[in-house]
Amino acid sequence: DAGITQSPRHKVTETGTPVTLRCHQTENHRYMYWYRQDPGHGLRLIHYSYGVKDTDKGEVSDGYSVSRSKTEDFLLTLESATSSQTSVYFCAIRGGRTDTQYFGPGTRLTVL
Amino acid sequence: KNQVEQSPQSLIILEGKNCTLQCNYTVSPFSNLRWYKQDTGRGPVSLTIMTFSENTKSNGRYTATLDADTKQSSLHITASQLSDSASYICVVSAIIPSWGKLQFGAGTQVVVTP
Repeated sequence: DAGITQSPRHKVTETGTPVTLRCHQTENHRYMYWYRQDPGHGLRLIHYSYGVKDTDKGEVSDGYSVSRSKTEDFLLTLESATSSQTSVYFCAIRGGRTDTQYFGPGTRLTVL
Repeated sequence: KNQVEQSPQSLIILEGKNCTLQCNYTVSPFSNLRWYKQDTGRGPVSLTIMTFSENTKSNGRYTATLDADTKQSSLHITASQLSDSASYICVVSAIIPSWGKLQFGAGTQVVVTP
């Protein structure tokens, strides 16, 4: 594994509640990414970060915010969860000689 | 329209047999193409990476090919094993932007049966 963990691994919450997912890396890589994966859609980018306090939107960023106060941590927040945000969320880091993106184990989020 | 199309969507093969997965892309300007393997309940793991000048790359029983002129790639699995049951995702990146934007295919679900 590429030294990347996600927490929690599973979460069930109710519509309208805030939710924060955490991604932690031990590789000291600059770039970090949040994706969601849904059947039939493949992986879609939510937000990415290119350094501490430097973040930008991906293709499906509505309803999500992110923060990166330390190199090792990248947080994804759903301010007010909706059922359409039920998904599996993956964090990734980019590094190595070939700039490969390495994925975390994922967080399965269910919004009731 | 998705810039990376994979076929077939799914396939079932007998243990020990070979299979080939296809990927067509329109991403431009092309930088590289990766194949990832994703086991059920886990994150994707990179199998191979090919740049414009490479037309074949092997990783054990996995062999990827790339035809940059026709914008096609294939992943060949030789002598399949039960552990090859997974989703295989074709991922293409362009030269720009530089922050690592990836275009993902929807994946091919492979089931290897005894």
